[in-house]
This record gives sequence, structure tokens and C-alpha cells, in this order.
Amino acid sequence: GAVVSQHPSRVICKSGTSVKIECRSLDFQATTMFWYRQFPKQSLMLMATSNEGSKATYEQGVEKDKFLINHASLTLSTLTVTSAHPEDSSFYICSAIRVGQPNTEAFFGQGTRLTVV
Amino acid sequence: GDSVTQMEGPVTLSEEAFLTINCTYTATGYPSLFWYVQYPGEGLQLLLKATKADDKGSNKGFEATYRKETTSFHLEKGSVQVSDSAVYFCALVHSGGGADGLTFGKGTHLIIQP
Repeated sequence: GAVVSQHPSRVICKSGTSVKIECRSLDFQATTMFWYRQFPKQSLMLMATSNEGSKATYEQGVEKDKFLINHASLTLSTLTVTSAHPEDSSFYICSAIRVGQPNTEAFFGQGTRLTVV
Repeated sequence: GDSVTQMEGPVTLSEEAFLTINCTYTATGYPSLFWYVQYPGEGLQLLLKATKADDKGSNKGFEATYRKETTSFHLEKGSVQVSDSAVYFCALVHSGGGADGLTFGKGTHLIIQP
């Protein structure tokens, strides 16, 4: 199947700093990528839809100024957690949509475990 | 809004046991339903899917049938193996193949003992 690479897999940062997470589709182009967040014992929750060349669409309750999304190319979307706080500690996972061939399907990265201390 | 409810884990079974992981959903219209699996240290992988009522998705010995009357999509396998140990997520989407964001259940951690 198609490969989506997410980096880093784990990151620890200090409160007040910013962290960038990358999501790359390695063998296909993705005009649409999604960012999810999972708190312990909770569902994966959709945070935002990232569209190549345009602004991201954020779900209700997600602060767009805190979670900056950039989708500058057809193979890369980045999520930057700005001024991170301990409550931002979570598991973040991206997915990239491969259209057609023969079906449209979502492929997921390995996820990033963010710990803010 | 849409929601997916799946049984809490962890679920611990012996090898060759029969597996059922329950999943029910609440959604408007006719969503597509999915089971994803996440092996340790890896990303989510699509296990199987069904796009309309009474469809049965199957893969690697796992099956799930889209039951609209009971709004369910229970995952079953007749004889589990240690290699099936993973976290399983039930999910739905309103477009056919995931072109919209998915709504996930909380995940069920399955542990298979030799």
C-alpha cells in the first residue's frame, strides 16, 4: 500500500516552545491531508483538513493560531504546535488521501507522541 | 453529530479463539464504515471496509457486515493469532473512500496470548 511518513515519532518540549510535525506522502501526491489528535483512552479526533495551496479548515474548538498547518506541496503537510503547554501533550496523527487507483483511500502516518513539560 | 462506539479494551484472548469486537455508530444518511488496525510502532492501516448496507468487508480472516437496522459493524475472526495483537479502530465517513475526515471510535486493544 501507499506510504505516509510522519516525523518525529516522539518529541518532548518545554512549555512555551513550538514544535513542528511533518507528514509526507512518499509514493503518491495528496491534495488533501488530515490531522488528528488522540488523548489517552479517547477517540482520534479530527483537528483540521489541510489542502495543498490553500488555508486549512479547522474543526470547531481547534485554535487555528495555536495549531498552524502548512500544506505547501502535494507531498508535505506540517503541523506546528505554537507556544506549547502541558495540556497539548497528546498523540498526533496525519492521514493523506490518495484519490482513485482504483478507490480513494486514506493512508496514515505512524503518529507523533508530543509531551510538553 | 456523528459518533462511533466500540467496546472497551483491552480484550485478551488465547490463540485460536473466536474474536468479536463490537462497533455501533450514529450518523445521518448512509456513511461508509471502516475497521483500521494499528500494530505497535506503526501507523493505522485499513483492515476492511463496507460502503453500503448488508455489504461484508473481509481481509486477513477478519469480517464485518454493515448492518443498517442495528447501526452496527462488528469485527469478527474465527481463529485469532498472536500476530493479530494490535489496536483496532472502527470508523465512518460520509464520502465513499475517506476523502473527508473520518470519525473514529476510541479503539480496542486486542491481546492474543499463545
